[in-house]
Amino acid sequence: DVKVTQSSRYLVKRTGEKVFLECVQDMDHENMFWYRQDPGLGLRLIYFSYDVKMKEKGDIPEGYSVSREKKERFSLILESASTNQTSMYLCASSPLETQYFGPGTRLLVL
Amino acid sequence: GESVGLHLPTLSVQEGDNSIINCAYSNSASDYFIWYKQESGKGPQFIIDIRSNMDKRQGQRVTVLLNKTVKHLSLQIAATQPGDSAVYFCAENMKTSYDKVIFGPGTSLSVIP
Repeated sequence: DVKVTQSSRYLVKRTGEKVFLECVQDMDHENMFWYRQDPGLGLRLIYFSYDVKMKEKGDIPEGYSVSREKKERFSLILESASTNQTSMYLCASSPLETQYFGPGTRLLVL
Repeated sequence: GESVGLHLPTLSVQEGDNSIINCAYSNSASDYFIWYKQESGKGPQFIIDIRSNMDKRQGQRVTVLLNKTVKHLSLQIAATQPGDSAVYFCAENMKTSYDKVIFGPGTSLSVIP
C-alpha cells in the first residue's frame, strides 16, 4: 500500500509566523503535490514537484514556497502566515497519473 | 473554462440500495479519470479509475461509467453501506505539459441505516 504521511494533523499558528508542513511518501514516487481544500472551492493546487530540487507553481502559489531536498519528502512553507491561509492542506504523491493523498493537515491561523 | 463538476452536491440513500454519483467534465482531451472517496477528517482515497478508451470499469461493489459523447462520468456503488458515507470526488487528468488533475467539488453521500 502507498503511504503518504503528513507531519501534523492539526496546527494553530499566529499571523506572521513561518509555518512548515512536511510530507513524506514511502513509494519512491517521482511526483509530489500540495493542495489546499476549502469549502465550496474544492482542491486547489499550490505547488508540485517532478523530482528532487525541482518545483513548479500550481494554481495558487502566492504566499507559499516549497522544498524538495529528498525524493521522499516535500515541504510546504508559509513564509508569513495570514488568516486567509487557514485551510486543510493535503499532500499527494504519484508515480504517473494516479495521486495518492496523505491524511491532511488542518491549519488554523489566528 | 476547464472544470469538472457534479450534478448533485448531496445524495442520501437507504442502506442496501444502490448509489449513483454523477460528474460532468469539460475537457474533451482528458484521457484518464479517477474517483476518490474522502471520509470526514481524512485525505481523499483512490477508489477506481478509467481511461478514455473504455466505457465501463468494475471494482469491488463499484462501477465507473464513462460517456465521452456527453462528457459524463458516474460512480455506481452497489448495496450501499454506512461505511460508504463520505464525499466523493471525480477528477480528470488533462494532458498538458504535465499531468494536471482537475478535481470536482465533490458529492456528499449519506447512507440512512
